[in-house]
Amino acid sequence: GAVVSQHPSWVICKSGTSVKIECRSLDFQATTMFWYRQFPKQSLMLMATSNEGSKATYEQGVEKDKFLINHASLTLSTLTVTSAHPEDSSFYICSAGGPSGYEQYFGPGTRLTVT
Amino acid sequence: AQSVAQPEDQVNVAEGNPLTVKCTYSVSGNPYLFWYVQYPNRGLQFLLKYITGDNLVKGSYGFEAEFNKSQTSFHLKKPSALVSDSALYFCAVPRTRGKSTFGDGTTLTVKP
Repeated sequence: GAVVSQHPSWVICKSGTSVKIECRSLDFQATTMFWYRQFPKQSLMLMATSNEGSKATYEQGVEKDKFLINHASLTLSTLTVTSAHPEDSSFYICSAGGPSGYEQYFGPGTRLTVT
Repeated sequence: AQSVAQPEDQVNVAEGNPLTVKCTYSVSGNPYLFWYVQYPNRGLQFLLKYITGDNLVKGSYGFEAEFNKSQTSFHLKKPSALVSDSALYFCAVPRTRGKSTFGDGTTLTVKP
């Protein structure tokens, strides 16, 4: 149980285009999901908290107009990187909270490369 | 503020030897502590957690961790390392519901 999937697992896009990454909870409902960014061999940086049916909560320094988050259902959150630039290239990971409120279940991540 | 620290960026051990990956915490009240493992180009996988109870916590893949309140530590251990244990390990503490603060990570390399 408690499986989180991400799609795509990797994507290459040209500078200036937009890319959408999906995060799904496969066997449970997640009212809250989290989006992280990770640079090589570094820790996870929380970007935003995705709330089902309401606006996402962004961490300080994260541009909400650049990283659009939509949590339209209890099993799906999407992150859209708008007008991507090479500096947006990174590994993006989503997670969903477990029923106890303390565990997190992570997706396998999406490798974004902007050329 | 809740925080964890992993003092070692890199740990190298020989296969078959015991391994320790260190984590110290700064938490108000009773700490909840987690260990996660990340393989290359993959998300994080839960290894084990300490909520309350026995100080020695057993987790997945033969790993265990010892909660030490006096030293504010929660070191990850395994009696006999495998090459397949080579990965990036994160210690974490919950901030709010479902959200965690992670350590900087420790790269474990097990050599044959």
